[in-house]
Amino acid sequence: DADVTQTPRNRITKTGKRIMLECSQTKGHDRMYWYRQDPGLGLRLIYYSFDVKDINKGEISDGYSVSRQAQAKFSLSLESAIPNQTALYFCATSVGPNTGELFFGEGSRLTVL
Amino acid sequence: AQSVTQLGSHVSVSEGALVLLRCNYSSSVPPYLFWYVQYPNQGLQLLLKYTTGATLVKGINGFEAEFKKSETSFHLTKPSAHMSDAAEYFCAVIPNSGGYQKVTFGTGTKLQVIP
Repeated sequence: DADVTQTPRNRITKTGKRIMLECSQTKGHDRMYWYRQDPGLGLRLIYYSFDVKDINKGEISDGYSVSRQAQAKFSLSLESAIPNQTALYFCATSVGPNTGELFFGEGSRLTVL
Repeated sequence: AQSVTQLGSHVSVSEGALVLLRCNYSSSVPPYLFWYVQYPNQGLQLLLKYTTGATLVKGINGFEAEFKKSETSFHLTKPSAHMSDAAEYFCAVIPNSGGYQKVTFGTGTKLQVIP
């Protein structure tokens, strides 16, 4: 089984719908991240969390929210999806601090029509 | 702010040929540097990293990279390409300083290996 599991792997939805992407990890890491990948743009950080009570905005947090339900679970929500949120979303974990080594899930491909 | 530039969004090589993927960073202080690989339909995984010490870093699957401060570069190489090397490769950087530092990724280079 994967150490970092994302659900769903693929989702098609309509504009205005609420969407939640879930991430769970068995690596025991405190730090968790949500990234968005768009062709030609690389990965951009949406939100990150150092523990259950420590959540921080990344560079592109507008239109997104997160919840850290437990050390092992970190979910990303789109309250009202729009087409330009169509992208591949990755959850990642790391052992702090500043090792730069991230452990990624397999991604959740979201299409907003 | 730290950044990395990857030259060439697509690179094609013949099987058995040298692989060279270019990465340059912008920083007045040498940062920590990384190469990640993303195989189709998978997440990214760490290929190799440079923090301090030896400037030639060896990673998995026969890849290596050399940190060159004078050229602000961290190019990825492999002497002989294999079909299984076809993937997208990302250079990444974090500042070598205190406090939380965000990993910044390059825009990626897709490697095609031609039989």
